[in-house]
Amino acid sequence: DSGVTQTPKHLITATGQRVTLRCSPRSGDLSVYWYQQSLDQGLQFLIQYYNGEERAKGNILERFSAQQFPDLHSELNLSSLELGDSALYFCASSVDEALRTEAFFGQGTRLTVV
Amino acid sequence: AQTVTQSQPEMSVQEAETVTLSCTYDTSESDYYLFWYKQPPSRQMILVIRQEAYKQQNATENRFSVNFQKAAKSFSLKISDSQLGDAAMYFCAYRSADGGTSYGKLTFGQGTILTVHP
Repeated sequence: DSGVTQTPKHLITATGQRVTLRCSPRSGDLSVYWYQQSLDQGLQFLIQYYNGEERAKGNILERFSAQQFPDLHSELNLSSLELGDSALYFCASSVDEALRTEAFFGQGTRLTVV
Repeated sequence: AQTVTQSQPEMSVQEAETVTLSCTYDTSESDYYLFWYKQPPSRQMILVIRQEAYKQQNATENRFSVNFQKAAKSFSLKISDSQLGDAAMYFCAYRSADGGTSYGKLTFGQGTILTVHP
């Protein structure tokens, strides 16, 4: 167990819908990272938050947004969902901002868009 | 932009034997970090080993070791005395040491599926 908790583990929804994925980082970790893993794109970095502020942005679609709350948990919001958004979404956390230490990954949320 | 390439989609090994997974990367930076992550069927991403580019000595963690060739931009993972529990997808990853706008971003390769035969 990495200490990073992601909910839900599985999510099935229809095209055009909106979903929210939740991540609770390890106790004491201030950075949260979101990654998308799909068959065609592999593992792609989406976004990073550190202590509530956005720190780095990757290939995140405009239909996607994220935030980190004062209690350090994070949510990834996916809207106007398309079939191609079906993927495994990982959250990871680390103590520091620049990942000089290890990043710990959650078990992911499997999103299926039908 | 940095890229990471794993040219072996699948590899197999007999239990107790040794296997080497390949990884190459492209970067113009001189300081960076390289990682190998393991993803078993449980989907959990687990850090296997990490290497700082400024260190010439190859990293070792028990049965796992790397062959880091900075000039060739090569970073292979050697698994000795393979065990059934080593069966998983293995990802090579790169992180800039610059910080800057990349901060904690990890760039991953496409992965290599490792099968261990009893």
